[in-house]
Amino acid sequence: DAGVIQSPRHEVTEMGQEVTLRCKPISGHDYLFWYRQTMMRGLELLIYFNNNVPIDDSGMPEDRFSAKMPNASFSTLKIQPSEPRDSAVYFCASSLAPPSGSGKTQYFGPGTRLLVL
Amino acid sequence: KNQVEQSPQSLIILEGKNCTLQCNYTVSPFSNLRWYKQDTGRGPVSLTIMTFSENTKSNGRYTATLDADTKQSSLHITASQLSDSASYICVVISGGGADGLTFGKGTHLIIQP
Repeated sequence: DAGVIQSPRHEVTEMGQEVTLRCKPISGHDYLFWYRQTMMRGLELLIYFNNNVPIDDSGMPEDRFSAKMPNASFSTLKIQPSEPRDSAVYFCASSLAPPSGSGKTQYFGPGTRLLVL
Repeated sequence: KNQVEQSPQSLIILEGKNCTLQCNYTVSPFSNLRWYKQDTGRGPVSLTIMTFSENTKSNGRYTATLDADTKQSSLHITASQLSDSASYICVVISGGGADGLTFGKGTHLIIQP
């Protein structure tokens, strides 16, 4: 398996522009997670899906952020409009279990490095 | 408020030496604790998952310990190698929701030849 695939790997955009990050989870994984990582705040869970349905989006910072999972093999995280404080590395991860699932590992993608100027 | 504190923030050791990274938490209730290794420019990779009843778990040269009474965990690396240079992140899980995951800010480990 190729693991979790994310695109693009790097994104540079100007404030106010729409940004769309993409993720392909590992085949067969029921759970998909979106994380954000910054030096100041570390890793933060933004939202997670189970069987394509958003289960908990309490980590999404504000209405400018939205995430969808139209099918089991694809998810997007959209920021509209983007702001400089959104600059971070965004990770997608997939798993066979929910966040509390003690026996199952989450597999992370390589991340998308976003810079908003 | 749930918190995870990792120490030290950064550490430099010589290749071949051992080291121990610390993770103290105030998360409650406790479900499980995870250690991740994150190489520069890559996503985190799971090293261990520890439940309440597990005191020690090993993964090759990595050994994690958990003391649920004192709410402390440690990650011991034996005979360090250059490839161990990375950030090590401790995550404590208390529930199923997004707010049930509490992340430490990580320890940045550098192995020098």
